[in-house]
Amino acid sequence: QVQLVQSGSELKKPGASVKVSCKASGYTFTSYAMNWVRQAPGQGLEWMGWINTNTGNPTYAQGFTGRFVFSLDTSVSTAYLQISSLKAEDTAVYYCARYSQYSSSWYVADYWGQGTLVTVSS
Amino acid sequence: QSVLTQPPSVSGAPGQRVTISCTGSSSNIGAGYDVHWYQQLPGTAPKLLIYGNSNRPSGVPDRFSGSKSGTSASLAITGLQAEDEADYYCQSYDSSLSAPVVFGGGTKLTVL
Repeated sequence: QVQLVQSGSELKKPGASVKVSCKASGYTFTSYAMNWVRQAPGQGLEWMGWINTNTGNPTYAQGFTGRFVFSLDTSVSTAYLQISSLKAEDTAVYYCARYSQYSSSWYVADYWGQGTLVTVSS
Repeated sequence: QSVLTQPPSVSGAPGQRVTISCTGSSSNIGAGYDVHWYQQLPGTAPKLLIYGNSNRPSGVPDRFSGSKSGTSASLAITGLQAEDEADYYCQSYDSSLSAPVVFGGGTKLTVL
């Protein structure tokens, strides 16, 4: 069965960096793109962007450029989200979600990781 | 402020029918983009509930249904059950280059 297993919670100080992993299993990793979604405490879902797992080409939503980097290690079917120069407002749960094509033009995030809580506090 | 507007909360008694609206504009839902719905139970990751406006993934009960018309979409839940208490999010696409994937602000469903 399809599974996305994310790394555990992180507590970081402002200015530090963090790398969240998302290990996929149960399907061919390079056949499906991967999305990243942020959820701040008590808030809704916010799309951060996605990465083409075939080419490694990332696309970032506005507001997630510069300090946010999506990457892959296809040898271990894992996607990564790295955030540098952490700020208190980066405190959130970060989700990876598989992008699946259900028609010729359309995609949907059909499987989600369990989420990784990143807390930024001095 | 989310690009897609949802009511912050809805409620209903067990067995009743509730609907959750998702209102967009001519640059997203009204432009013909599909709408998806996700259910987020307390403390868990979102789960795909409806895709492509009205399609249910395998395993989702037929008590859940989706529709779309004009610049809006709706999620209907019939025969409400206690385990339906969750947050529900709509998601679509927007012609804006800054954020082509957009979510609604979420709706908290309370089963009375």
